[in-house]
Amino acid sequence: KAGVTQTPRYLIKTRGQQVTLSCSPISGHRSVSWYQQTPGQGLQFLFEYFSETQRNKGNFPGRFSGRQFSNSRSEMNVSTLELGDSALYLCASSLGDRGETQYFGPGTRLLVL
Amino acid sequence: KNEVEQSPQNLTAQEGEFITINCSYSVGISALHWLQQHPGGGIVSLFMLSSGKKKHGRLIATINIQEKHSSLHITASHPRDSAVYICAVRGRGGSEKLVFGKGTKLTVNP
Repeated sequence: KAGVTQTPRYLIKTRGQQVTLSCSPISGHRSVSWYQQTPGQGLQFLFEYFSETQRNKGNFPGRFSGRQFSNSRSEMNVSTLELGDSALYLCASSLGDRGETQYFGPGTRLLVL
Repeated sequence: KNEVEQSPQNLTAQEGEFITINCSYSVGISALHWLQQHPGGGIVSLFMLSSGKKKHGRLIATINIQEKHSSLHITASHPRDSAVYICAVRGRGGSEKLVFGKGTKLTVNP
């Protein structure tokens, strides 16, 4: 079974631009969570989706948004990029919505110049 | 104060040594996760615990719910164990968000 895939793997943007990141979960998994990892803050929760519904949202500004499609694939969008948005963005999938083991993708490394 | 505290932040060991990484948390939880992150970023989930003890190969994870504390042990450490180990807790309800510790960077020298 294929693992969690994320595209693109690397991205360079400039301040003020917007970016869309994509995550394809393991087949059959219905829950997708997104995380931001920076050297200063470590791993932080962004949002969690289950069956196309956002179940939880972390403490990030409204510039960060996401959605999940009927095939469980998920996208996150960051508008009006700031230098501080440079980070590794990870998504993880799990089977259901009961807090099961999460399987992480390789991440998208975003650099904002 | 962070909800999840890990110690030590950095740990250097010689091959073959017994390793212990600690995690303390301050909130009620439904589960605690131990994750491993190798250079390059990939994260692997090692254990999910809600009580007691779990073992997988040379790795052992324990949790004491009353004391709000968990430990990850590595027996007979090997250079390939070098990675960042991250503790994460999920609040009660099962669908609460994961809150992460800052991680423990382990280096095992041959």
